[in-house]
Amino acid sequence: DGGITQSPKYLFRKEGQNVTLSCEQNLNHDAMYWYRQDPGQGLRLIYYSQIVNDFQKGDIAEGYSVSREKKESFPLTVTSAQKNPTAFYLCASSPDFVGVYGYTFGSGTRLTVV
Amino acid sequence: AQSVAQPEDQVNVAEGNPLTVKCTYSVSGNPYLFWYVQYPNRGLQFLLKYITGDNLVKGSYGFEAEFNKSQTSFHLKKPSALVSDSALYFCAVRGGNSGGYQKVTFGIGTKLQVIP
Repeated sequence: DGGITQSPKYLFRKEGQNVTLSCEQNLNHDAMYWYRQDPGQGLRLIYYSQIVNDFQKGDIAEGYSVSREKKESFPLTVTSAQKNPTAFYLCASSPDFVGVYGYTFGSGTRLTVV
Repeated sequence: AQSVAQPEDQVNVAEGNPLTVKCTYSVSGNPYLFWYVQYPNRGLQFLLKYITGDNLVKGSYGFEAEFNKSQTSFHLKKPSALVSDSALYFCAVRGGNSGGYQKVTFGIGTKLQVIP
């Protein structure tokens, strides 16, 4: 079945540590997105990629980095510069960057700072 | 700037009764509107969308939504609620300017509680 796989489901980060969240899709979608979800704040866009080898900052990119070396993969690194990283992170994709078809979401990664 | 408002943090409805989850929006051009559902500790699932055409849009699991241009609203509805419909519902809007990437803005979500 086609879909988006996010791993790990739960992740614990120590202060000052970088961590990488994995996102893989087998939908042959061109566009991929990373969102952060906090209670009462909805979804906020971190980064998006319209096509392989290209990505753009979203609304809250500070303290995060991404790469898009393969069409199916869009990993997110949460760096030590992100001062409040505890949140639920969602990866999504769409057939193209126009985005009128709606998004397919992964099941999310819950990141906790310990 | 485009925006989405979901005025109710939580909606409670008895099982078997009709339900409505409200959404209003502000956007340049003709809007593209979406509803998603999220179950605990899961990603969002697409329910339905409005691009153009009939103002009443039918989607997954018996849900439908009514687009009202004059009131800039896109309320989610279902004739008879099920306990399994209990979840968090998100409205989203994309600006209608043609071509290129257009940001999708999500509302903060409305928790639907269906009471047995």
